[in-house]
Amino acid sequence: GAGVSQSPRYKVAKRGQDVALRCDPISGHVSLFWYQQALGQGPEFLTYFQNEAQLDKSGLPSDRFFAERPEGSVSTLKIQRTQQEDSAVYLCASSIDVNTEAFFGQGTRLTVV
Amino acid sequence: DQQVKQNSPSLSVQEGRISILNCDYTNSMFDYFLWYKKYPAEGPTFLISISSIKDKNEDGRFTVFLNKSAKHLSLHIVPSQPGDSAVYFCAATDSWGKLQFGAGTQVVVTP
Repeated sequence: GAGVSQSPRYKVAKRGQDVALRCDPISGHVSLFWYQQALGQGPEFLTYFQNEAQLDKSGLPSDRFFAERPEGSVSTLKIQRTQQEDSAVYLCASSIDVNTEAFFGQGTRLTVV
Repeated sequence: DQQVKQNSPSLSVQEGRISILNCDYTNSMFDYFLWYKKYPAEGPTFLISISSIKDKNEDGRFTVFLNKSAKHLSLHIVPSQPGDSAVYFCAATDSWGKLQFGAGTQVVVTP
């Protein structure tokens, strides 16, 4: 596709449920990022992939968060045993190379009830 | 700690006038700065960037100024148009593209 695609756009999860968020980056983009954006705040870095290698996961808030990009294209962010504080918009971004402009998807709005 | 700060949560400007958005940072290792624009229910859209080796970058109606000694950058939009009404995020990076964002400034352009 022409841009970064994320699915689902909206997800409502019951507390304790596991969720999986998908990101389809722009074809050929080497770098892929996940960000978390709470209401009224700027996006906060979660994790970074260069191709299939996860080079930085320092922003993941707990071990309930896990991300993968097994073939260097599509990425999945998984959250286990969701809690209310996980409610946020999760943004995926990709860039063609390091230190080039990142293009963002529309995000997945996760609401944990 | 917040390494990128946008201290004005909102800005109202008349159509045709200049919009000036400000951003301060604390990390002297940042070497690349970007501005993103965000409409409701959409992801941030890249607007303009500047490398730390420059002090100004211009693209059409948008100009970014960087003052490294003050650790300050600003975005000028001239002339402001109704379609510019959005949230603007300042972001910075010191390495391979991991971005640190400010909290954003909501711009409203009035007729």
